[in-house]
Amino acid sequence: NAGVTQTPKFQVLKTGQSMTLQCAQDMNHNSMYWYRQDPGMGLRLIYYSASEGTTDKGEVPNGYNVSRLNKREFSLRLESAAPSQTSVYFCASSDLFQGGEQYFGPGTRLTVT
Amino acid sequence: GENVEQHPSTLSVQEGDSAVIKCTYSDSASNYFPWYKQELGKRPQLIIDIRSNVGEKKDQRIAVTLNKTAKHFSLHITETQPEDSAVYFCAASQASGGGADGLTFGKGTHLIIQP
Repeated sequence: NAGVTQTPKFQVLKTGQSMTLQCAQDMNHNSMYWYRQDPGMGLRLIYYSASEGTTDKGEVPNGYNVSRLNKREFSLRLESAAPSQTSVYFCASSDLFQGGEQYFGPGTRLTVT
Repeated sequence: GENVEQHPSTLSVQEGDSAVIKCTYSDSASNYFPWYKQELGKRPQLIIDIRSNVGEKKDQRIAVTLNKTAKHFSLHITETQPEDSAVYFCAASQASGGGADGLTFGKGTHLIIQP
């Protein structure tokens, strides 16, 4: 099993450009999440999808949109990137009926200039 | 919403000594408390977790304690080794049935093991 995978690993954008971060899991988990990690701030929840077909805002949703494409895939879109969105983005998944632990992907390092 | 405070931000201990990291949470409805270890440039890795119906949990050199009344929980690492050097994060959530909310994280503790 690959667990949670993310693409791309690194990305540089100019202000105003758009892009989509991809996440997939092969653990048959119901719930998926997007977090951002900034130095000294820990991880902060952007959006989550408790189950296929549902999405909810987290702590810092402004400037982002998400799509739960199917049970395996959960994408994060930046419509108009801003320098404040420079961060490391982690996707995670979990399932309450498999213990509830969240497993993280390897992360995407995004720089917006 | 939930707020998680974590202390200290940096902890330096001698190899072989014990390390303790403390967290407090604000939402009494939180009932799931994991701890993650993150090495530089890597993803967070779950090392231990505890649910609100349990006061203490141990796994070899690692233990977590939970005080629901005081709304605080702690990570204890005994006989520290160089490979324990990393950033540790505590987190809290309401792992309610039917779907899992996201985690609220503390800001992390940089644990340094001195040889």
